[in-house]
Amino acid sequence: AQSVSQHNHHVILSEAASLELGCNYSYGGTVNLFWYVQYPGQHLQLLLKYFSGDPLVKGIKGFEAEFIKSKFSFNLRKPSVQWSDTAEYFCAVSGTYKYIFGTGTRLKVLA
Amino acid sequence: DGGITQSPKYLFRKEGQNVTLSCEQNLNHDAMYWYRQDPGQGLRLIYYSQIVNDFQKGDIAEGYSVSREKKESFPLTVTSAQKNPTAFYLCASGQESSYNEQFFGPGTRLTVL
Repeated sequence: AQSVSQHNHHVILSEAASLELGCNYSYGGTVNLFWYVQYPGQHLQLLLKYFSGDPLVKGIKGFEAEFIKSKFSFNLRKPSVQWSDTAEYFCAVSGTYKYIFGTGTRLKVLA
Repeated sequence: DGGITQSPKYLFRKEGQNVTLSCEQNLNHDAMYWYRQDPGQGLRLIYYSQIVNDFQKGDIAEGYSVSREKKESFPLTVTSAQKNPTAFYLCASGQESSYNEQFFGPGTRLTVL
């Protein structure tokens, strides 16, 4: 069955700490991978995406993600988080027109 | 100002009543989607439409219906058959390709009393 797993449901970090959010997927065939972010009171928006090529992709606000095909993973990273990164983060996989989203990770950054 | 609008932001209905949630986009996107967001469950696909006058069921379509008479509009009706309708509903649109990101509306929070 097609699925996306996000292992961390809630993460609390202090400012300047490093962040890594896990995402594993199960999907037959070629996949396109995304991370979306939902800041408090705002629309869900794209953080970064991977289709092909360099497995290390960079997104907005200093975020990056690495696609490891052998591990079916697409983990999100940021070297130093800020209070403004407090949000809910969703990993997603797309195939033929449909997206599958993970359950989300709520990140709280303490000032 | 391009984007996706959903109305209303908050909606209250009595149990047993059908209710229709509005979604309009002016991004000229072919595809539109409806998701339901519940705490701890992420986004689950209800229905999607790739072109006008065509739509497909998603993973949790039971108790919902949609129409796609215009490219810009994709209303969702939550029927009385939906057993647990209280939720946050998100509409999205995108170009007809899985390579493209989806653009999301602000959502409608439906509470059934």
